[in-house]
Amino acid sequence: GAGVSQSPRYKVTKRGQDVALRCDPISGHVSLYWYRQALGQGPEFLTYFNYEAQQDKSGLPNDRFSAERPEGSISTLTIQRTEQRDSAMYRCASSLLAGRADTQYFGPGTRLTVL
Amino acid sequence: ELKVEQNPLFLSMQEGKNYTIYCNYSTTSDRLYWYRQDPGKSLESLFVLLSNGAVKQEGRLMASLDTKARLSTLHITAAVHDLSATYFCAVDTNRDDKIIFGKGTRLHILP
Repeated sequence: GAGVSQSPRYKVTKRGQDVALRCDPISGHVSLYWYRQALGQGPEFLTYFNYEAQQDKSGLPNDRFSAERPEGSISTLTIQRTEQRDSAMYRCASSLLAGRADTQYFGPGTRLTVL
Repeated sequence: ELKVEQNPLFLSMQEGKNYTIYCNYSTTSDRLYWYRQDPGKSLESLFVLLSNGAVKQEGRLMASLDTKARLSTLHITAAVHDLSATYFCAVDTNRDDKIIFGKGTRLHILP
């Protein structure tokens, strides 16, 4: 595809369940970022990768959150034992070049609702 | 901790008028980004500003960066209804790899 894709677009889960959110970046893009966006707020940085290497995970809220990008392309953000406060829009973005000074292209997001 | 503040947070203006959105940040950075977000949509990159004094223009929008004042502005010239959206600035710290977004400015342009 031409842009960043994310799946599922909507996820409703019960508290305590694990969820996996997928991001498929633009082909050839080196860097991939994960953000969380609450309604009416700006995106909150979670983590990012250059190729398959996770560069910074200090934005992950706690150890229930993890992310991987094993082959330097598709990435998965996993939330274990979900809680209601995890409900938000989760967005990923990719950029062509490594390094943060490049344009980021955002995906449509996954809306997570934890009941 | 880096803080990014935008003002105003809400702006309603008439078509044809000029206005400026301000983005202040609290620590040293020489990389600043502006994004547009339409309701229910994702974020679209508008400008990447990489040095002190950088100025970029696209159509009716012009962004500038003053790293000494830790201030970026997004100027709207002769606003049109199609520019109604939420505009975010984001700052990339020199110290670590986080990119911090402001809360956004919700712009409503009245026809």
